[in-house]
Amino acid sequence: GQNIDQPTEMTATEGAIVQINCTYQTSGFNGLFWYQQHAGEAPTFLSYNVLDGLEEKGRFSSFLSRSKGYSYLLLKELQMKDSASYLCAVRSPGYKLSFGAGTTVTVRA
Amino acid sequence: GAGVSQSPRYKVAKRGQDVALRCDPISGHVSLFWYQQALGQGPEFLTYFQNEAQLDKSGLPSDRFFAERPEGSVSTLKIQRTQQEDSAVYLCASSLILVFADTQYFGPGTRLTVL
Repeated sequence: GQNIDQPTEMTATEGAIVQINCTYQTSGFNGLFWYQQHAGEAPTFLSYNVLDGLEEKGRFSSFLSRSKGYSYLLLKELQMKDSASYLCAVRSPGYKLSFGAGTTVTVRA
Repeated sequence: GAGVSQSPRYKVAKRGQDVALRCDPISGHVSLFWYQQALGQGPEFLTYFQNEAQLDKSGLPSDRFFAERPEGSVSTLKIQRTQQEDSAVYLCASSLILVFADTQYFGPGTRLTVL
């Protein structure tokens, strides 16, 4: 089975940095994805990690440690439009994605 | 280009009614997935197609749920004799091919409310 944990809510100020942690215990591992989901909209792909280390993509970075079953998503220079739910998802060997419950990030002016 | 589209976006059904939810994947995408997302939760896997073949239906909650993709493009998720616990957002996702890092692209979902 899969057990994926991430905080329920986080609040930060516009222009600041926020780090969303994700820990997982899975029966197999074939990569970790981060998705952004605005209320009532489709989840949109942000990043993918399969090897240990940091992947940087503009204002967003994602880190993975497979030995620790740990990942984080770092959002820099926060903007109001970054207010959304952020979903951590682990892919089992094959294709199946298992999602955490999501972290709701609220950006305040 | 066009993304994944789903219809209807909202569906209200009376308990016991049958419903059909449609997914139009991105053109040319081989793999298609259905997920169920309850309020405040992450998506839960329901079923997976590769072209027209349904390779995994292990996530379907009961035999009232049925999915098909007869021509390998459009897919329909059917729920028979709907129950209140079926109320959720049903998400469809597609990916180009089934390889290591292939990304799943999601549609906006159908919000089903069973009264």
